[in-house]
Amino acid sequence: SQQGEEDPQALSIQEGENATMNCSYKTSINNLQWYRQNSGRGLVHLILIRSNEREKHSGRLRVTLDTSKKSSSLLITASRAADTASYFCATYPSDSGGSNYKLTFGKGTLLTVNP
Amino acid sequence: DSGVTQTPKHLITATGQRVTLRCSPRSGDLSVYWYQQSLDQGLQFLIQYYNGEERAKGNILERFSAQQFPDLHSELNLSSLELGDSALYFCASSAFSGGQETQYFGPGTRLLVL
Repeated sequence: SQQGEEDPQALSIQEGENATMNCSYKTSINNLQWYRQNSGRGLVHLILIRSNEREKHSGRLRVTLDTSKKSSSLLITASRAADTASYFCATYPSDSGGSNYKLTFGKGTLLTVNP
Repeated sequence: DSGVTQTPKHLITATGQRVTLRCSPRSGDLSVYWYQQSLDQGLQFLIQYYNGEERAKGNILERFSAQQFPDLHSELNLSSLELGDSALYFCASSAFSGGQETQYFGPGTRLLVL
């Protein structure tokens, strides 16, 4: 079953605009991670935020985490055409059968940045 | 480039056949994970190996099996293939930093079952 659910499923913006994607999850987590996937290619790790962190920055990326609402957001500022990709949130849920090693992905947000 | 390699990049085969996908983790990484990505199911965790031993199992079918060898490369074997097995198969290896694990994905093998 999917732990993380991204919203929206698809987002289309113009270059230079900011893009915000949201992720909701169901159970308690150790951390939440965001990955990017260019069409048909491997996933690239973007950023990890721990359950005791509320906000984290990496370059043009800003991630927030609200554990009380079980939600996270990924903000990409000053978007570029090269940011066009699918973005996935992933979590280690606490009900992963005793294993801490099952990273569970949402279905992703498809971001299109138009030049 | 994540440092994780997968071969082959593309595989076309027929129903009922058996294929083997290969993965080499990043240098120094002991864990290998296998995932299946399809349009309807999204990205699904299949199985994890750590230093040659199976560590965790996900939604892996009985027709599928995997192993990790002493040199830490891993193989995913898919048998009695069905049309629905057509998907992208990724492997990943992982590293710990500050007690948190990050996975690094290979470029994937695209399997098409005709």
